[in-house]
Amino acid sequence: KNEVEQSPQNLTAQEGEFITINCSYSVGISALHWLQQHPGGGIVSLFMLSSGKKKHGRLIATINIQEKHSSLHITASHPRDSAVYICAVKGAQKLVFGQGTRLTINP
Amino acid sequence: DVKVTQSSRYLVKRTGEKVFLECVQDMDHENMFWYRQDPGLGLRLIYFSYDVKMKEKGDIPEGYSVSREKKERFSLILESASTNQTSMYLCASTVGSYGYTFGSGTRLTVV
Repeated sequence: KNEVEQSPQNLTAQEGEFITINCSYSVGISALHWLQQHPGGGIVSLFMLSSGKKKHGRLIATINIQEKHSSLHITASHPRDSAVYICAVKGAQKLVFGQGTRLTINP
Repeated sequence: DVKVTQSSRYLVKRTGEKVFLECVQDMDHENMFWYRQDPGLGLRLIYFSYDVKMKEKGDIPEGYSVSREKKERFSLILESASTNQTSMYLCASTVGSYGYTFGSGTRLTVV
């Protein structure tokens, strides 16, 4: 079993829909990261959180430390949100990555 | 904004060649990392460095080495490239408990 599990692996939705991507982890962490990777490869850090909730524009990230679970929400989704979203947890020294969720938003 | 620059976006090398992948960051970050990303396997840590001239093996260091002679530059070296090292290589840097900044990636093909 991977230390970081994301679901779903693939998600296709229509423009405007509310999107939720989930991340569960099995190790003790100091922080959890949500990353976005567009076709072509570059990775952008969206959020780093260790408790509660963070919001940036249409993106919201939450974490429940007791349940070892985090969610990334996208409100009013748009085709430009199409990307791979990666959850990564930071233990003592290094990041451990989930497999990623490929999100496609159709116009 | 912190910038992490990888010297090449695409590289094609021959089996057995020595390959250098360069990564430069411009914000005086202590910590730098090299990852490779493969379909179905996600990102895997090759090597990381917490300071100049310091290096630590990650999860998959075999076939790779690194060099960190200056704080801003972290180089990944494939001593003798092989076809199973065809991959996307990503560099990242961070300081303390702040977020990571990634480079744009280098897609290496070994033929």
